[in-house]
Amino acid sequence: NAGVTQTPKFQVLKTGQSMTLQCAQDMNHEYMSWYRQDPGMGLRLIHYSVGAGITDQGEVPNGYNVSRSTTEDFPLRLLSAAPSQTSVYFCASSDGTSGRGPNPYNEQFFGPGTRLTVL
Amino acid sequence: AQSVTQLDSHVSVSEGTPVLLRCNYSSSYSPSLFWYVQHPNKGLQLLLKYTSAATLVKGINGFEAEFKKSETSFHLTKPSAHMSDAAEYFCVVSDLRDMRFGAGTRLTVKP
Repeated sequence: NAGVTQTPKFQVLKTGQSMTLQCAQDMNHEYMSWYRQDPGMGLRLIHYSVGAGITDQGEVPNGYNVSRSTTEDFPLRLLSAAPSQTSVYFCASSDGTSGRGPNPYNEQFFGPGTRLTVL
Repeated sequence: AQSVTQLDSHVSVSEGTPVLLRCNYSSSYSPSLFWYVQHPNKGLQLLLKYTSAATLVKGINGFEAEFKKSETSFHLTKPSAHMSDAAEYFCVVSDLRDMRFGAGTRLTVKP
């Protein structure tokens, strides 16, 4: 199993540009999520999905869009990039859900991250 | 709402000495608690988890943590630090409603 894969690993954007960060998992996990990691702030939840066709907002959703058309894929779209979106982005997946979030007993599997710089 | 506080943003130890990384949490429900490790330029990897079974939990690479409900703590320990333990460590609290990450503790191991 490849686990959770993310592309690209690095990206530089200009303010106002749009782009999509790709995330895929091959473990048939129901729950998938996107986090951003900023120094001293841990990981903050952007959007999440409890299954194909179901997405919801996390703690910091503004400026981002997601969709989940298949169990495997969960892309994150930046609509109009801003310097405040400079960050490291992690996709994660886990087995099962609580209905409205992850199964609280299960491990999250993380991708290797995408380092995004917005100039 | 639940929250998690990692009491030290940076811990420095010498190789071969004990490691203590502190985590306090608050939760309205019976939570699960996790510790994840992140090596430089890598994703997060699970070290150990507590899910209401034994309060002393053993993880990978010699780490362990003790769930203390009365103190709302879940501190991570290791008897003897190794150079390869240098990384960032995250405490996570999860219940049926939410999952929250601590801000992280950077562990430095000196030779």
